[in-house]
Amino acid sequence: EAAVTQSPRNKVTVTGGNVTLSCRQTNSHNYMYWYRQDTGHGLRLIHYSYGAGNLQIGDVPDGYKATRTTQEDFFLLLELASPSQTSLYFCASSDALGGVSYEQYFGPGTRLTVL
Amino acid sequence: GDQVEQSPSALSLHEGTGSALRCNFTTTMRAVQWFRKNSRGSLINLFYLASGTKENGRLKSAFDSKERYSTLHIRDAQLEDSGTYFCAGNSNNRIFFGDGTQLVVKP
Repeated sequence: EAAVTQSPRNKVTVTGGNVTLSCRQTNSHNYMYWYRQDTGHGLRLIHYSYGAGNLQIGDVPDGYKATRTTQEDFFLLLELASPSQTSLYFCASSDALGGVSYEQYFGPGTRLTVL
Repeated sequence: GDQVEQSPSALSLHEGTGSALRCNFTTTMRAVQWFRKNSRGSLINLFYLASGTKENGRLKSAFDSKERYSTLHIRDAQLEDSGTYFCAGNSNNRIFFGDGTQLVVKP
């Protein structure tokens, strides 16, 4: 059974639209991450969290909010979607000890298109 | 990415042949992960190494933290190996991705 799931798998919205991407992990990991992946680029970190109620800013946070409601659930929020946010979004989780994260496990991805 | 230089950016192999991908890191990484993004867009975990080498079937990876590089060797390439391969360096609570190698395996 998949340990990191994402929903929806595909989403189309219009410029200015409000989008929420959901991620759930059943690995009992404390770290969770949101990335975007664009053609010709590696995954770029948007936001991450080391526990419920915690949020850390990643490398490309502009235009995105995130919220970690429980250890299992991490949401990515696009309140005013723009075409530049058309991308493939991946969620991941990892364990950590003493601030050092270990192997990351990825969800299947959500393809978002902003028209 | 800035912390990770992955090469080559594209690679074409005939079935049955092999090659190596490489990632150089600008800072010391604690570990490296290698992934393949398949045709459906899913990221498949290939390896996680904190040091040394690991082998799985036709794939073999090595990581040298001190020399700041990692390699992924593919031998006897098959059509289903096609996809985009990413390395990612693990530095404390973050990982940093290379820009990927697009591999095409031809008959």
